[in-house]
This record gives sequence, C-alpha cells and structure tokens, in this order.
Amino acid sequence: NAGVTQTPKFQVLKTGQSMTLQCAQDMNHEYMSWYRQDPGMGLRLIHYSVGAGITDQGEVPNGYNVSRSTTEDFPLRLLSAAPSQTSVYFCASGAGSSSSPLHFGNGTRLTVT
Amino acid sequence: SQQGEEDPQALSIQEGENATMNCSYKTSINNLQWYRQNSGRGLVHLILIRSNEREKHSGRLRVTLDTSKKSSSLLITASRAADTASYFCATDADNYGQNFVFGPGTRLSVLP
Repeated sequence: NAGVTQTPKFQVLKTGQSMTLQCAQDMNHEYMSWYRQDPGMGLRLIHYSVGAGITDQGEVPNGYNVSRSTTEDFPLRLLSAAPSQTSVYFCASGAGSSSSPLHFGNGTRLTVT
Repeated sequence: SQQGEEDPQALSIQEGENATMNCSYKTSINNLQWYRQNSGRGLVHLILIRSNEREKHSGRLRVTLDTSKKSSSLLITASRAADTASYFCATDADNYGQNFVFGPGTRLSVLP
C-alpha cells in the first residue's frame, strides 16, 4: 500500500544545477500538487494538476516546471537551482474535492549551496 | 499569502493533559481540514469540518468551527507522548478543488 512515493529523500545541489524531484501515486487520484515547506511559513503551493495533460501554477511557481503525462506521475523540475530553493518539498494527491483529504509523500529535503 | 494562522506556535504539555490549538483564516471557506506532521514525515489528514458544521469529533479529537470569527480549534484530549507532532489547519480558500492553503502550524510537545 504505497500511497504517494517521493524520490530522492535528500539532495544537495550547487547553484545553477538542475534536477527533477519524482512523485508517484497509486491511488488513481486525478489531483496532484507540489508544496514547499519552509520554517515558520507553512506549506506553499508551487504547481498543481487536475489530470493528465493539465497543469497550472500555484502561489510560488517561479523557478519550477511540472508535467503530467500520466495519472500516476507528477515530476517537479528545478531549472537552475538557487539557494532560495533550499526547502523541503512535498508532493500530494487527492480525489479533487475540497471535502476530500490530501495524501502526502514523505518529502524531499533539498539543499542548494 | 497565508490564509491560516495557527496559535500558539508551540505548545508543551504533560501526558494526560488536553491540548488546544487554534486556527484563524481570512476569507470564506467551504471546508477546513486539520493535518498532523511527525518529524521528518509528510502530513497526515486528521479531520475535516464543513462550513455548515460547528463541531466534529473523531476519537480523542474535537474540532470546532466559527465562521463568523473565521476561526477553528483542534482539541486533543488525554494527550499521549505519541501525539508529539506539528499540527496544521488547511482551508480551501482558493475555492479550487484541493488547492489548500496551510497555516504555519503549531508544534506540540507532549512530555511523558
């Protein structure tokens, strides 16, 4: 019963490098999203998707790209890493209604030096 | 911008005591949810309360909602050391599906 799986768990990047954070869910959820969590700031929405082929920006999308080619996968790409992107990143999925719970992965801790 | 604000930021209590956390929000909502986060893990859904509900219970959890004050509270009764975690409220203030807005959370420490 995997739920939402995120890889890697930890990553260190140098400024300017690019990388992809992976997210996969096995609950057949149409809705998926990416949040970043910074101390004292709660979670902020980066990008979201309401189904395969559909993505849109959240509150803090700059410096990140997403794609949704399948229902299961929703990767987050950092185009050119900056120290300000040092954070913990969470992927979540849900049935799409605000009366349904979000299911979260265990996060990726990213450090950009 | 943050929709929800939890209060207090941190709370330390003894095992067996009750813990109360508050959440305030700014715009109208349809639903409010509470989540728990253990250290180093993702958030886990605890309970949902709809805008037309005033109180809801689930085991040792009691949630209240006051839409006139735009606030909610989460009460954990008879706390245990295993309840040590951060607790977040989430609102659907975006009014778009599951684009929830999370507050900064309350860090609860339950001392044995």
